This record gives sequence, structure tokens and C-alpha cells, in this order.
Amino acid sequence: DAKTTQPNSMESNEEEPVHLPCNHSTISGTDYIHWYRQLPSQGPEYVIHGLTSNVNNRMASLAIAEDRKSSTLILHRATLRDAAVYYCILRDHYGGSQGNLIFGKGTKLSVKP
Amino acid sequence: DAGITQSPRHKVTETGTPVTLRCHQTENHRYMYWYRQDPGHGLRLIHYSYGVKDTDKGEVSDGYSVSRSKTEDFLLTLESATSSQTSVYFCAISGRLEDSDFTDTQYFGPGTRLTVL
Repeated sequence: DAKTTQPNSMESNEEEPVHLPCNHSTISGTDYIHWYRQLPSQGPEYVIHGLTSNVNNRMASLAIAEDRKSSTLILHRATLRDAAVYYCILRDHYGGSQGNLIFGKGTKLSVKP
Repeated sequence: DAGITQSPRHKVTETGTPVTLRCHQTENHRYMYWYRQDPGHGLRLIHYSYGVKDTDKGEVSDGYSVSRSKTEDFLLTLESATSSQTSVYFCAISGRLEDSDFTDTQYFGPGTRLTVL
């Protein structure tokens, strides 16, 4: 799987939007962009994933650049509960294969009241 | 929650003793995974299973064995625990058997904190 680059840490204020960037310049055509997060003392949690088009769900939005070399996870109104490490992961879905997720160091998001 | 439990949640053991961690799912997912998480390394795959009695090694499989005798349970065994196996262990599942669409979303358990003295 191709590599991703994320900032080590970011800060946000409560109830403000947060934009978490991810660079993946070597992404292949069959790579999906997945985001997971890990709250303190918990297992990772799926957030969202997409291929080319922007995606929305109840937790967040995913904005994917037109060339797919970068993406941004958007939390529309950060809450204290959103303080976590956010991981951007590329997964090759060619052939319907399953396999392990390769976690990098992620971005540690702090949310200030 | 995706119906994944891990037991025990915490364990302290001594070097050289055998340890078995259990992952139980109620979601009828085909794939099950064991990861370990250590400071500075993120999560790393130990072993995974793609069906009953079908398992394969991951990135850090030395010193670990696994078994899956039924869909619901995936056991991780440390035959002779060492201090380097002190870690937090996470189980994950993916690929619900009833689903025709491929999603590859993984659902993680709450983790087991293992300390080997």
C-alpha cells in the first residue's frame, strides 16, 4: 500500500471546524482513502472512506483532491470527544482483497474548550 | 459497536509462561486480525484469519500462534511470554459474510493490556 503523510499534531477549539490533511502522492488508481481515529485507551474506530468523490457521513466529511494526491478529513464542529489520533490509510481494493491496515503515526488532534 | 469483545482486558504474567488472548465476535465477519500497539510503532499486524482454520502471518508474528476453530473466536497464544511482548493487543474484524459489497472496513475490539514481568 502507498504511503501517507500527516502532520504530527493539530489543535482546534471546541465547536469550530477542523481540517485534517493527508498527502498521498504515490496513490494508485485502485487505492481507497480510509480514515480511522483512536480515542485515548480505545481501539481504532472507522471514520470514513472514499475513492474519488467527496464523501459525507454522520461523523465527518472527506474531501479528495482532483488529482487524488491529497485529501482532507473535515470535522464540522469539533467536540471534546473528537480529541484523538487520526489515521489516513490507503487500501488497495483491487480484486476485492482484504488485509491488514497499515497504520502510520497519524495526527494527534487536541480540542480546547 | 461491532460486537467484538476481548478477554482478558488486562493481564500481568511472568516471563516464560504461556498466555492466550481471546477475541469473540457476534457479527459473522469472515476476517479477523490481531494487532499489537507499542509506543513509537503504531499498530502492527501479528496474524490474521480469512476463515475457519485459515490463518496467515503478519508483520510481527514471531513468538505468537493463532487458532480459529469457529467463525466467532480467534485466539492469540504466546507460547512462552517475554518482556518484549508487553503491549496492548487489539483484535479486529472485517468482511461480514452476509454482505455482497466489499467494504474492507475494520472494526476493532477494546484491547487487552498485557504486561510480562
